[in-house]
Amino acid sequence: GQQLNQSPQSMFIQEGEDVSMNCTSSSIFNTWLWYKQDPGEGPVLLIALYKAGELTSNGRLTAQFGITRKDSFLNISASIPSDVGIYFCAGQLGSGGSNYKLTFGKGTLLTVNP
Amino acid sequence: DSGVTQTPKHLITATGQRVTLRCSPRSGDLSVYWYQQSLDQGLQFLIQYYNGEERAKGNILERFSAQQFPDLHSELNLSSLELGDSALYFCASSVAGSGTEAFFGQGTRLTVV
Repeated sequence: GQQLNQSPQSMFIQEGEDVSMNCTSSSIFNTWLWYKQDPGEGPVLLIALYKAGELTSNGRLTAQFGITRKDSFLNISASIPSDVGIYFCAGQLGSGGSNYKLTFGKGTLLTVNP
Repeated sequence: DSGVTQTPKHLITATGQRVTLRCSPRSGDLSVYWYQQSLDQGLQFLIQYYNGEERAKGNILERFSAQQFPDLHSELNLSSLELGDSALYFCASSVAGSGTEAFFGQGTRLTVV
């Protein structure tokens, strides 16, 4: 089945630094999503990407849908302590049946030192 | 608050038992998804319902079943529980049948002892 490789597994950074994480797949997706999960909470949708090559921002977050449709990256600029959490990428094939399911990466644990 | 409500928040039960997890989707959402999150497997899609009917099935064990009721709430039934079923179970909902823009509940942490 489809698998997403997300890297890095964890990051330790200083407040104010920029962060970059990415996700690659062995097969294509038609939608890429980035979620953040805080301890004891469910994943929260950060950014959704629907078109190859698309670059989308949400505040200090920027994500891109790779041109091959097999990868995506997420950048966080000027990190702050509340950015701490686990970031997940997810891909969706779309258009019918089990193609609507989201396939998740294993996550990137981000720690921000104030 | 995502608007998706899951109960209970925590559940501890013994091996061999059966439990029911409940999910109320966001108002207006017709689609409900169930996911299992464990340390080794990550977030795994289990099953999707759309307006009361099963739409898609993922890696759901035969011991597990789900349904969506006319009021659109959903229940995930887990039976003959094993230690390895201990995990976080999330429900998500979306307006349409597609999984994008899905909003997750806070999850139910199931511990099987």
